[in-house]
Amino acid sequence: AQSVTQLDSQVSVFEEAPVELRCNYSSSVSVYLFWYVQYPNQGLQLLLKYLSGSTLVKGINGFEAEFNKSQTSFHLRKPSVHISDTAEYFCAVRRSSNTGKLIFGQGTTLQVKP
Amino acid sequence: SQTIHQWPATLVQPVGSPLSLECTVEGTSNPNLYWYRQAAGRGLQLLFYSVGIGQISSEVPQNLSASRPQDRQFILSSKKLLLSDSGFYLCAWSKGRETQYFGPGTRLLVL
Repeated sequence: AQSVTQLDSQVSVFEEAPVELRCNYSSSVSVYLFWYVQYPNQGLQLLLKYLSGSTLVKGINGFEAEFNKSQTSFHLRKPSVHISDTAEYFCAVRRSSNTGKLIFGQGTTLQVKP
Repeated sequence: SQTIHQWPATLVQPVGSPLSLECTVEGTSNPNLYWYRQAAGRGLQLLFYSVGIGQISSEVPQNLSASRPQDRQFILSSKKLLLSDSGFYLCAWSKGRETQYFGPGTRLLVL
């Protein structure tokens, strides 16, 4: 079975600072990896995904993530955050062979301070 | 382009009352459909998924049920709500095993 651990429940940074949100996963089979963002009282929006190919994935809003198979990690980064990046971020994994069921981490709340 | 709708957006229901939440997808055919629940301060838990009309798979035993009466319609129901059913319910769709896209969600408060 797959599992996802987001290592930080809350991260607080100042505007224009870099940020890294950490995600580790556990799986005995090949997986696809995703990062979603959730703004207050809204659904989830896809930030980026890793399916295959280059391990550095670029997404929307200036975010990027790097797939590290040996460390089973998929950390999300942004070199300079804005106030508008304040939101909940979810890492998710699914088996590459299944019907699409996602396993989510518990989420990381990112607060960007002025 | 594809869009996904959920209604109602917010619902307050007494314990023991029935529930019906609706999810509709536009702009695609034969999508995979999913129901997730997000409890306060927690991640998302997959409740049900469907790969076709009348085909429902349940992920966790609970007080809820799901149905798919039409290709692009997914309904979450309960005969008698419990306090523990409170949460944020999200519907999602995918084309086969591709990326899942989420609806705006329904916030349910059971009192």
